[in-house]
Parts: sequence; C-alpha cells; structure tokens
Amino acid sequence: NAGVTQTPKFQVLKTGQSMTLQCAQDMNHNSMYWYRQDPGMGLRLIYYSASEGTTDKGEVPNGYNVSRLNKREFSLRLESAAPSQTSVYFCASSERQGVITGELFFGEGSRLTVL
Amino acid sequence: LAKTTQPISMDSYEGQEVNITCSHNNIATNDYITWYQQFPSQGPRFIIQGYKTKVTNEVASLFIPADRKSSTLSLPRVSLSDTAVYYCLVGSISGSARQLTFGSGTQLTVLP
Repeated sequence: NAGVTQTPKFQVLKTGQSMTLQCAQDMNHNSMYWYRQDPGMGLRLIYYSASEGTTDKGEVPNGYNVSRLNKREFSLRLESAAPSQTSVYFCASSERQGVITGELFFGEGSRLTVL
Repeated sequence: LAKTTQPISMDSYEGQEVNITCSHNNIATNDYITWYQQFPSQGPRFIIQGYKTKVTNEVASLFIPADRKSSTLSLPRVSLSDTAVYYCLVGSISGSARQLTFGSGTQLTVLP
C-alpha cells in the first residue's frame, strides 16, 4: 500500500519549458489536492479535485493547470515555467472534501527548480 | 474564512510536555480544528482533529475551550524526534477546499 505517490521527485527546468507532475493514490479517495511550499512557509493550495471529473482553483492557481485523469490520478501541469514557480510541490488526497473528514494524506513531494 | 495564528517557534527539552496554541477568532459553527506535523523534506502528517472540549489519541491531546476561538495541541513527554513544524487548520465539510490552506506553522525544537 503505497499511499500517495508523486513523480518526479526532483526536476530542473529552464524558464519557458513545460512539464507535468504526476500524482497517484491507491486509497480509493475521492478528493485530491496540489499544494506548493516555498522555503520557510506553509503550504498553499494550487488546485483541488473534490471528486472524479471536477477541479477547482485554490489560493494560487495562476500558471498551473490540472487534470483529474481518473479517481486515482491527479496531474499538475506547468505550461511555461517561471523562476517564481521554484518550489516543493505536494499532492494530497482525502476520502472526502473538507477538513471535517480529518486526514489529508500527503505524498513525499516534488522539488522543482526553474532556472 | 477562519484565519489562524500560531507562534513561529518554540523550544522544549526531552521529556517535557509541550503545548502549542492556535488562535482562530472567526471560527464558524461548522468548522473543525485539525493539526498536522511536518518533518523536513516530507509532506505533512495528520495528528489530531476536534470540534470542542478535549480529544485524545495515542500521540497528542487537543484542548478546545467553550468559545472555540483558540485550541491547544498538547504533546506529552516529547522526544528529539518530535522536532518538526506543527500546523493548525480550521475548516468544515460545508466549506470550500480553499480553507485547506496551511499557515506558517510553529517550528518546535526539542533539545536534549
């Protein structure tokens, strides 16, 4: 039981390049989330998917797109990377949307550097 | 949207009890309070959640006063491995997932 798996773990991009961060969960959770964490700061919500087939913007969606490919997978795409997008990206899942359900399960993170 | 305020950092010694307080003055009726722990280079990990009074599990206790405008995470007899950042979140199932935003958290350092 792997939980939440993110790939790649590390990536270096040049400004203007595109890439996709992949996330998969094997807990049959309905909701999935993408966060970014900058040095010394908390996590900020980029996009989330309350259920398969739906996606919504979080606090910092600009410069990103997402796809909820199926119930297991939720990808984050940077179409034209900028140095301001240098960060650690975390994917998370939960059984249902909302804090009331208690647990968000996080992946190990993907460290992205944009030069 | 309930904003949370926590101390930036705290130091403690091994074996002591640590209490971290979170202020959430505009908490809504349906909101729950959840605490997470994050080690360096890892994603946050759920610790405990509560609505009112006291909740206890195998790792921590959560104290919530009657007015629910604050909450206190209590870690009994901390060890060096409890050194981490602790986050307080407030939100509910009826709210938007935009509420699922972590503040800067509290850096707890446990000293030998």
